[in-house]
Amino acid sequence: DAGVIQSPRHEVTEMGQEVTLRCKPISGHDYLFWYRQTMMRGLELLIYFNNNVPIDDSGMPEDRFSAKMPNASFSTLKIQPSEPRDSAVYFCASSLWAGGITEAFFGQGTRLTVV
Amino acid sequence: GEDVEQSLFLSVREGDSSVINCTYTDSSSTYLYWYKQEPGAGLQLLTYIFSNMDMKQDQRLTVLLNKKDKHLSLRIADTQTGDSAIYFCALLDNYGQNFVFGPGTRLSVLP
Repeated sequence: DAGVIQSPRHEVTEMGQEVTLRCKPISGHDYLFWYRQTMMRGLELLIYFNNNVPIDDSGMPEDRFSAKMPNASFSTLKIQPSEPRDSAVYFCASSLWAGGITEAFFGQGTRLTVV
Repeated sequence: GEDVEQSLFLSVREGDSSVINCTYTDSSSTYLYWYKQEPGAGLQLLTYIFSNMDMKQDQRLTVLLNKKDKHLSLRIADTQTGDSAIYFCALLDNYGQNFVFGPGTRLSVLP
């Protein structure tokens, strides 16, 4: 397996524009996590899914953020409208429940810059 | 909820040992983890320890767990410049479904 694949790797957009980040988890994994990393706040969990169902979205900062997982092999994180303070690295990770979670596999991240 | 704390920075000289510390407030986590993040990359699992163990050794890495004091440490022997990275302590939340990460310790290895 190629691991968790995120796209794009880099995104530069203007304030007010819609941004869509994409993630393909490892095949067979049943948990998917979206994180945001900034220097100021470190690594923050935004939302996670189990079997494509959102379990905890309490980390989603505002209504401008939304995440979907239409099937087991694809998830999106959308920001609409984007703001400069959304600039961060966004990571997707996936895990497999095998009597318990043992490891989260991270993608390379998407570096988002909102100008 | 679970709270995980780490010091933010550590500098060591090449060849010395590094010790990165982590404290947590409460945990029923079956495993406790150390993740490594190299520049421009995602986090990668470095090692983990089962909660009923107090020590695990893996080549240059030694993990110590003191459950009474809720303290986890990672020792890197003979630290190399390639060990420069951010190291995250992590454990599972009380539901066992989600990872709780510390703020990360940025390790700088000086030549």
